[in-house]
Amino acid sequence: QVQLVQSGAEVKKPGSSVKVSCKASGGSFSSYTITWVRQAPGQGLEWMGRIIPFLGVADYAQKFQGRVTITADKSTSTAYMELSSLRSEDTAVYYCAREGTAASNSHWFDPWGQGTLVTVSS
Amino acid sequence: QSVLTQPPSVSGAPGQRVTISCSGSNSNIGAGYDVHWYQQLPGTAPKLLIYGNTNRPSGVPDRFSGSKSGTSASLAITGLQAEDEADYYCQSYDSSLIEGVFGTGTKVTVL
Repeated sequence: QVQLVQSGAEVKKPGSSVKVSCKASGGSFSSYTITWVRQAPGQGLEWMGRIIPFLGVADYAQKFQGRVTITADKSTSTAYMELSSLRSEDTAVYYCAREGTAASNSHWFDPWGQGTLVTVSS
Repeated sequence: QSVLTQPPSVSGAPGQRVTISCSGSNSNIGAGYDVHWYQQLPGTAPKLLIYGNTNRPSGVPDRFSGSKSGTSASLAITGLQAEDEADYYCQSYDSSLIEGVFGTGTKVTVL
């Protein structure tokens, strides 16, 4: 049974960066795809990007291109999401999730990490 | 800005049936990408409810069912229970954006 445990809450100043970790246990980390999703207070879910640890290849939502970097450390089964040039609108809960797939046209997210609250405030 | 549109809210009395629609386009649902559904209880992470349009993960009650047709999909909850009060999101993939996409979310209220 795969479990994802994320790092704790962060408070950051505008213009700084934050790096959130997501440690996996169970299953074979290298064979996962790990996706990052965020949720601003009272808002919906927003796909940020994903990484295939086996390949070390990541792709990102257009909205976050140039500001987000997703990496993975196979030795510790941990994925990371770093967001730079933070602004108040980046205040949100950030989730990691494993991507499940049955075919090239079917990718879902399960399980999810518990979420990490990132607050951007001066 | 979500590319999948859901009604903001739906409500029903205990025991009733409610449905939640998820409207997309020819670059996502209509392009043949599967739709998946999540339930999010207050203050918790989303939980997978339906995957591959119609499939329930182990442990999800059969009161929940999904369907897909054309550029839309639906989630139905039959025999509504108080514990079903939550936010529900659809999710798919968009070939124009080349990224995963979520619906706008629907709050289900049990009257």
